[in-house]
Amino acid sequence: GAVVSQHPSRVICKSGTSVKIECRSLDFQATTMFWYRQFPKKSLMLMATSNEGSKATYEQGVEKDKFLINHASLTLSTLTVTSAHPEDSSFYICSAAVSGTDSPLHFGNGTRLTVT
Amino acid sequence: DAKTTQPPSMDCAEGRAANLPCNHSTISGNEYVYWYRQIHSQGPQYIIHGLKNNETNEMASLIITEDRKSSTLILPHATLRDTAVYYCIVRSLGTDKLIFGTGTRLQVFP
Repeated sequence: GAVVSQHPSRVICKSGTSVKIECRSLDFQATTMFWYRQFPKKSLMLMATSNEGSKATYEQGVEKDKFLINHASLTLSTLTVTSAHPEDSSFYICSAAVSGTDSPLHFGNGTRLTVT
Repeated sequence: DAKTTQPPSMDCAEGRAANLPCNHSTISGNEYVYWYRQIHSQGPQYIIHGLKNNETNEMASLIITEDRKSSTLILPHATLRDTAVYYCIVRSLGTDKLIFGTGTRLQVFP
């Protein structure tokens, strides 16, 4: 089945630094990738839609300068949390799919970010 | 906003069938019903999806009512490893994205 790999699985960083999270589709080409964040005991919240070769589309209330998304190839999207602060600590999850079909989105295993 | 309503929690005895309901009364003709589950601290796992016909795979069965306003996910023989949060999501092919609701926390007990 389709596999989405996310790296790193866990990262701890100091306040003010930037952190990059990678999302790769391992056995299919993903024209679209999605980034979510999840707080403890809460549901997943969609942050942005990443389209290969074009700018990401951010959901309302998500700061695009804070959460930089790059989708440079059909198998890789990155999320960079810039100038991280403790309130950015969360579980970040990516998903990928072939656009325009009913093929299910597949999800990475998430990245636990802790900002100290 | 999520277009589905699910009970917040359910219990099921191990070995019994777990029937998880979902209401999606505002679903439109080109929207599919997808089910995912999330085990603690992992990414969501795809289970099954359907448009109007009932579907079955190695994990579960999906029963969609004739008017498509509700559906039921059936885990035929629940095991302890099926304890998770189950999300029912309506997805339009035009937008691709999945908007998660609050899901149902299924607890399977011995």
